[in-house]
Amino acid sequence: AQKITQTQPGMFVQEKEAVTLDCTYDTSDPSYGLFWYKQPSSGEMIFLIYQGSYDQQNATEGRYSLNFQKARKSANLVISASQLGDSAMYFCAMRGKYAGGTSYGKLTFGQGTILTVHP
Amino acid sequence: GAGVSQSPRYKVTKRGQDVALRCDPISGHVSLYWYRQALGQGPEFLTYFNYEAQQDKSGLPNDRFSAERPEGSISTLTIQRTEQRDSAMYRCASSYTSTVVKETQYFGPGTRLLVL
Repeated sequence: AQKITQTQPGMFVQEKEAVTLDCTYDTSDPSYGLFWYKQPSSGEMIFLIYQGSYDQQNATEGRYSLNFQKARKSANLVISASQLGDSAMYFCAMRGKYAGGTSYGKLTFGQGTILTVHP
Repeated sequence: GAGVSQSPRYKVTKRGQDVALRCDPISGHVSLYWYRQALGQGPEFLTYFNYEAQQDKSGLPNDRFSAERPEGSISTLTIQRTEQRDSAMYRCASSYTSTVVKETQYFGPGTRLLVL
C-alpha cells in the first residue's frame, strides 16, 4: 500500500523568502512518481512538479524545486522567493503500480499543507 | 485546448435520490480518473478507466457508486440512493496514458455535491 504524510497542517512565510513543505511517503513499489499540486482558494488543482524514483537529479520548475531524499523517503517542495499568490493548499501525491499491475493508476494524496504568504 | 470539464458544477439533492456526475476529459487522453475530496482533505481515489475499460474500482465506497465510460471519452459517475455522507467535491482527472509513471493527471473543476 502507498501512503503519503504531510505533517505540517499550516505554514507561514514572508513574501520573497523561501519555504519548504514537507512530504514523506511509503511504498513497496520500486518504480514510482511523486507529484505536487497547488489548490488555491478557487478550488482548482494545479500541477506543479514531478519527481521520478529513478531520477538522478532533483526536479526543478521555475521557483519550485523538489528536495528528493530517496533513502529517507521524503520529497519536500521548496518554493523560492514566495509571492502573495503562492498562498494556497499544497498536496503531495504518489503514483505507483498497484498490486503488481502493468499500468500506473491512482494518485495517493497527503492531507495537504496550507501555506500563507505574508506581505 | 480545453481542459477537463465537469458538470454540473454544483448539485443539491435530497437524501435517497440518484445523481449522475459528468466528466469530459482532455481530448485524446486515454486515462480518466475519479476522486472524491472532503473539505480540507486531499483527494481520495475512486476509480479509473483506460479507454472504456474500468481498470480499478477499488476506491468506490460501496455498491451505490458506479462509473462508466462507454465510448472511451465522457465518463459518468452515478451515486444511487444518496446519503448525507456522500456530500463532497467530486473531481475528475485525465492523463494521456497510464503506462508511464510521470504522466501528469490534469484535474477538472469538480462537482460540489450536497445531499440534504
